[in-house]
Amino acid sequence: GENVEQHPSTLSVQEGDSAVIKCTYSDSASNYFPWYKQELGKRPQLIIDIRSNVGEKKDQRIAVTLNKTAKHFSLHITETQPEDSAVYFCAASMGGGYNKLIFGAGTRLAVHP
Amino acid sequence: GAGVSQSPSNKVTEKGKDVELRCDPISGHTALYWYRQSLGQGLEFLIYFQGNSAPDKSGLPSDRFSAERTGGSVSTLTIQRTQQEDSAVYLCASRSTRQGYTGELFFGEGSRLTVL
Repeated sequence: GENVEQHPSTLSVQEGDSAVIKCTYSDSASNYFPWYKQELGKRPQLIIDIRSNVGEKKDQRIAVTLNKTAKHFSLHITETQPEDSAVYFCAASMGGGYNKLIFGAGTRLAVHP
Repeated sequence: GAGVSQSPSNKVTEKGKDVELRCDPISGHTALYWYRQSLGQGLEFLIYFQGNSAPDKSGLPSDRFSAERTGGSVSTLTIQRTQQEDSAVYLCASRSTRQGYTGELFFGEGSRLTVL
């Protein structure tokens, strides 16, 4: 079936530490993997994405890695700051292309000063 | 408009009543999605429209749910005979499909539905 599993559901770190969130997907045809951040009471917003022809992508303190063989991808946040506190969602396109996007259940990240 | 617009922002209804939720996507975006987010939960896929293609309705939870998109722009999600378990925030998102597009979904603020 079309499924995206995300772990952990909650993550608590001290400011300055790193945070890692992992996702696995079921559809081997998936080729697009975005990550969205949703702050409390706000709409989800894209923070980084990766396509299947790339193994890793970085944007300042955020990086995403992809292992197509194992069908899993991860979000890495370094030097966490209190403003990184939010719910993070991974997602995977189903059936190739950008079409149907299935989201994971989300990870609530708390960064403590 | 500048972003995805949804209305109403809040809707309280009685069990058994029908509701309509509206989404106005970003101008020129041909792809439109509906998701449901229950309290503290993830984003549950409902339906996806792409241009003039038949919509992907595989996420609609029951036949009480339907959606349409008129003129390739505004979309309406209709829930008939609402049940308490339908209470959630319904999020609409749109995406550009032009050459060089990034795949990014732009979400609206959502419509919070409460079924009493």
